[in-house]
Order: sequence, then structure tokens, then C-alpha cells
Amino acid sequence: ETGVTQSPTHLIKTRGQQVTLRCSSQSGHNTVSWYQQALGQGPQFIFQYYREEENGRGNFPPRFSGLQFPNYSSELNVNALELDDSALYLCASSLEIAGGSHNEQFFGPGTRLTVL
Amino acid sequence: AQKVTQAQTEISVVEKEDVTLDCVYETRDTTYYLFWYKQPPSGELVFLIRRNSFDEQNEISGRYSWNFQKSTSSFNFTITASQVVDSAVYFCALSERTNAGKSTFGDGTTLTVKP
Repeated sequence: ETGVTQSPTHLIKTRGQQVTLRCSSQSGHNTVSWYQQALGQGPQFIFQYYREEENGRGNFPPRFSGLQFPNYSSELNVNALELDDSALYLCASSLEIAGGSHNEQFFGPGTRLTVL
Repeated sequence: AQKVTQAQTEISVVEKEDVTLDCVYETRDTTYYLFWYKQPPSGELVFLIRRNSFDEQNEISGRYSWNFQKSTSSFNFTITASQVVDSAVYFCALSERTNAGKSTFGDGTTLTVKP
């Protein structure tokens, strides 16, 4: 059983650029959640994807967008990068069952994004 | 809105000491889940425990124990006989009953265990 993987590990961009981060969910999981973790803070929920559709969103602007693919992997896209977007971006996968069954989420190692 | 407060920003202990990490939460939900995660320097969040809001029994797992008190909205984590390998940032989190993936995290407590 493979765990959650993320790519790239590190990334440096300049203000105004666009970035795409990738996440492969754990085998058997169908839901992916993305979190932003600024230095010295806890992870902040960005959004979640379930069955290839956005299933809830945190307090992040529309320039943060995502996709989920049929194999349940996911992308996080951030347009018009700002300095404050510098953070560790964590992806977590879980198995959500229709009707509200609740399960643990398992985190990937994260992508550290630096915006200069 | 949900909120998790970890008032202790940093704790430093000497190996073999016991240490308790505090977590206080706020939610209007009657059913919810509470979690503790460990984040070593590598950055990956490691799941430690999940507690259902209906289950107030304390839990012990090896050197780890958790004290859930719904009356005070607290979910504290104790490490007994701490070891250097316990050094990490520890996060308490709260989620809706139906969705593990939409969690609200505290800002973490950095634990340093000195030899």
C-alpha cells in the first residue's frame, strides 16, 4: 500500500507567477484535502475534492483552485502568486463514504513553496 | 465556527520527564472528532489519535495518554517518560463528524526533549 505522495518537494517562484502542486492519494482513498501551513502556524484548510468535484472550501481566494482526476490524484493551482503564499502545502487523503462515514486522513510530506 | 487553541507555544523538558500538551476547542456541533498529530522536522503530519465527541474515556497507548473532557472543551495529551525522539511540533485538530478532511488545527506546540 503506497502512502500519500506530493511533488515537487520544494519550489521557488516569483510574485505574479502561477504554480501547480501535485498529490497522489493513498491507495483506496477517494478524497483529497489541501492545507496551507505558514511558518509557525497550524495547517489551514484550503479545499477538498471528492469524486472530482470541490467538496468544501476554506477562507481562500478564487486564485487558489484545484482538480481531482479519475484516479483520485489531485492538483492545487495558485495564480498571481503573492509573497504571503510562501508556505508548506500539505495534501491529505481519506476515504469518505456517501452518507457521512468519517475516517482518518493521511498526510503527504508537503511541498514547500517560496515566493520571492 | 470551529476554533482550536493550543496555548503552549513551546515546551522544553529533560528526557524522562512527563509532559502535558493542552488543547482547548470551540464548536457548535454536538458531534465532532478531535485529533492529535505529530509533525517532525521532515514536515509530514503523523496521525496519533482520533476521539469521537461521544466517547469521553481516556486512552492510553504506550507512553502516550489523552484526557478528553467535554465539560471544559479540552483534549490534553500527555507523554510519560519523554524521549529525545518525541521532539516535534504537536497539533490538535477538530473536524466535523462526517468529514475527516475538513479539519481545523491549532497553531501547535513545539516540544523539545533534551538528553
